Amino acid sequence: GQNIDQPTEMTATEGAIVQINCTYQTSGFNGLFWYQQHAGEAPTFLSYNVLDGLEEKGRFSSFLSRSKGYSYLLLKELQMKDSASYLCAVPLDATNKLIFGTGTLLAVQP
Amino acid sequence: DGGITQSPKYLFRKEGQNVTLSCEQNLNHDAMYWYRQDPGQGLRLIYYSQIVNDFQKGDIAEGYSVSREKKESFPLTVTSAQKNPTAFYLCASNPGQRNQPQHFGDGTRLSIL
Repeated sequence: GQNIDQPTEMTATEGAIVQINCTYQTSGFNGLFWYQQHAGEAPTFLSYNVLDGLEEKGRFSSFLSRSKGYSYLLLKELQMKDSASYLCAVPLDATNKLIFGTGTLLAVQP
Repeated sequence: DGGITQSPKYLFRKEGQNVTLSCEQNLNHDAMYWYRQDPGQGLRLIYYSQIVNDFQKGDIAEGYSVSREKKESFPLTVTSAQKNPTAFYLCASNPGQRNQPQHFGDGTRLSIL
């Protein structure tokens, strides 16, 4: 079957670094997306990984290991505005239907 | 600017009533999707459409219906058969390519009166 696991909640301090993990089990692999979603708002695209390794984009980086079915999102120099849910999603097939994890609610504290 | 517009932002449904949520995009995207989000849960796929005049059921299609008569529009009807419709509904679109992210509208929050 298809399944994605993420921690439900995390807390971190302003200015610190936090790593949000995602593990997945899918019958095939077509890449992995990370989205950010503030409460009551639409998800916004953060990153896409299809090859193993680290992709860096400003304060946010995303890592993928296809052999381990594992990804993480790394947020550096945390700011209060980074308090949000972070959703991990994988396309099921060529139709680009996405299966989402439940999301990780990150609370950044002063 | 191109984007996805969902309306209304808030919607209330009476018992036995059908309601329709609007989703319009001017991104010229072929594929469109409807998701439902409940508190503490991820997004679950209701229906999707890869091309005009064609759509497919997602994981939780029961009690919902859609149409795709125009490329720009993908309205979702929540029928009276959907017994627990209270949720946040998100519409998304995608150029139709696997490595392209889905773009989301701002959502419609549906509640029961």
